[in-house]
Amino acid sequence: EDKVVQSPLSLVVHEGDTVTLNCSYEVTNFRSLLWYKQEKKAPTFLFMLTSSGIEKKSGRLSSILDKKELFSILNITATQTGDSAVYLCAVTDSWGKLQFGAGTQVVVTP
Amino acid sequence: NAGVTQTPKFRILKIGQSMTLQCTQDMNHNYMYWYRQDPGMGLKLIYYSVGAGITDKGEVPNGYNVSRSTTEDFPLRLELAAPSQTSVYFCASIQTVQSSYEQYFGPGTRLTVT
Repeated sequence: EDKVVQSPLSLVVHEGDTVTLNCSYEVTNFRSLLWYKQEKKAPTFLFMLTSSGIEKKSGRLSSILDKKELFSILNITATQTGDSAVYLCAVTDSWGKLQFGAGTQVVVTP
Repeated sequence: NAGVTQTPKFRILKIGQSMTLQCTQDMNHNYMYWYRQDPGMGLKLIYYSVGAGITDKGEVPNGYNVSRSTTEDFPLRLELAAPSQTSVYFCASIQTVQSSYEQYFGPGTRLTVT
């Protein structure tokens, strides 16, 4: 059975800390892995990863995919309170259908 | 471009009632999707469409129906609403899978069935 598993389910950090979020998957017909940020509304797109070992960066966020070990990590450095959100990992197949993990709730305290 | 729009934003239904959730996109996207998100969970795919006249079931299709008569619109129909259908519903779209897998999400419809 296909599955996407995120860990941890939640964490609390202080401003300035670095956060590492994990996503493992077992999905047939894999095409890409996507990360989204969700703040009590629709998910907003962060990254799409298709190739193994190539890091994608956007400001303080970065992500990498390992297609051999079937996992991805999302790093957030120098966290800010505005980074508080649920981070969703999703895997897409050839039809573009997304299968989501349960998400990681990140709380950044001042 | 308005992107992906959904109506209504909120709705309360009584058990057994029916309703249609509307989804429209103005980006000329071929692929459209309906997801539901229960509290504390990720999104689950209900139905999807790869073009006008073509629809298929996702992971949780029971209790729902869809149609796709135009490229722009992808309504989701709930028949005989049940409390288990209380959820937030998101519509999403992409141009084609050849262009990008990044899905554009609508703002969501929060549905409560009591």
